[in-house]
Amino acid sequence: AQSVTQLGSHVSVSEGALVLLRCNYSSSVPPYLFWYVQYPNQGLQLLLKYTTGATLVKGINGFEAEFKKSETSFHLTKPSAHMSDAAEYFCAVRANTGNQFYFGTGTSLTVIP
Amino acid sequence: DTAVSQTPKYLVTQMGNDKSIKCEQNLGHDTMYWYKQDSKKFLKIMFSYNNKELIINETVPNRFSPKSPDKAHLNLHINSLELGDSAVYFCASSRDWGSGNTIYFGEGSWLTVV
Repeated sequence: AQSVTQLGSHVSVSEGALVLLRCNYSSSVPPYLFWYVQYPNQGLQLLLKYTTGATLVKGINGFEAEFKKSETSFHLTKPSAHMSDAAEYFCAVRANTGNQFYFGTGTSLTVIP
Repeated sequence: DTAVSQTPKYLVTQMGNDKSIKCEQNLGHDTMYWYKQDSKKFLKIMFSYNNKELIINETVPNRFSPKSPDKAHLNLHINSLELGDSAVYFCASSRDWGSGNTIYFGEGSWLTVV
């Protein structure tokens, strides 16, 4: 069975500071991993995903994430936070067999001017 | 053009009513989904259709009935609405049933039952 844990339901950073949003997964086999962003009153938008290949994945808006199998983690980072990054971020895992897609509980990012 | 579009975006209705939310995708995808997001932002799969065939049917009340007239449409009908049905409902689609495929979401439908 797959599951996703996002540590920290709320994260606050200052504008220009590093953004680090944590995601750990449990899976008996290497899964496919995704990060989605949800702006207020909007749907979810894909930031980036890891399927195979390079473990450091670059996404939109300057975000990137690194798949670390040994740590079962897929943390999301951005070197310098911008006010427009304030949103809800969801980590998701999908098994490499079957179609079930499991979301974490989300992390709300606040950017302080 | 919006890839996954759902209507209405906002819906306020009384308990006991029946309502429908419509969803259409113009991506040519084979697989469509309905997700429910509760007040704590938790996202849960409700249904998934692949080529108009129901493949995921999570434990939701049978008051919820999805209907897929064709691959591009997946509508959600809810009978006898209850207060606890208040949530945001997201339609989504993916290219096919494959695991690595990205799921594309609609903008959401905010349902409030009063």
